Amino acid sequence: AQSVTQLDSHVSVSEGTPVLLRCNYSSSYSPSLFWYVQHPNKGLQLLLKYTSAATLVKGINGFEAEFKKSETSFHLTKPSAHMSDAAEYFCVVTLTSGTYKYIFGTGTRLKVLA
Amino acid sequence: DTAVSQTPKYLVTQMGNDKSIKCEQNLGHDTMYWYKQDSKKFLKIMFSYNNKELIINETVPNRFSPKSPDKAHLNLHINSLELGDSAVYFCASSREGLAGAPFSYNEQFFGPGTRLTVL
Repeated sequence: AQSVTQLDSHVSVSEGTPVLLRCNYSSSYSPSLFWYVQHPNKGLQLLLKYTSAATLVKGINGFEAEFKKSETSFHLTKPSAHMSDAAEYFCVVTLTSGTYKYIFGTGTRLKVLA
Repeated sequence: DTAVSQTPKYLVTQMGNDKSIKCEQNLGHDTMYWYKQDSKKFLKIMFSYNNKELIINETVPNRFSPKSPDKAHLNLHINSLELGDSAVYFCASSREGLAGAPFSYNEQFFGPGTRLTVL
């Protein structure tokens, strides 16, 4: 069965410094992986997705993530945090065949300090 | 031009009542979903419909009944509301794949959520 673990429930960074949000997955088959962002009292917005093409995926708002099969990781990064990046971030895994059900991580709350 | 919309945005009700949440998408998608987000922000799928047919039904109490009158709508009806039903409920939709089933590469588009509070 597939699962996803977000290693940090809270991350705080200063504005202008790099962001790293960690995600590890477990899957018996080739997974599709997504990162979503949820701003306070809002719905979820897709940041980026990995679908077995390029392992380095670029998303919106300067975010990117690298799929590393050997480490079963899909960490989200951004070179320079902005105040507007403060939100909850979810890593999601789903299989590339059979079930298409989203399995969500428990979320990482990103705080950006001025 | 809202892609996935839900009504109401907030719903406050008493235990034991019956309530409905409506969801509509104008993206032309074939698959729609309901998720529950608890107080710790954990998101879990409840139901999924593809072309008005139920394809995912997680371990959800049968007090919850989804209804899909057409591909663009997926409503959630909840009978005999309990305190533990308090949560934010999200509707989502996605395109189907080549085989006529939801395709895992296709991202899901989420609605703004409905915050349900049961007193």
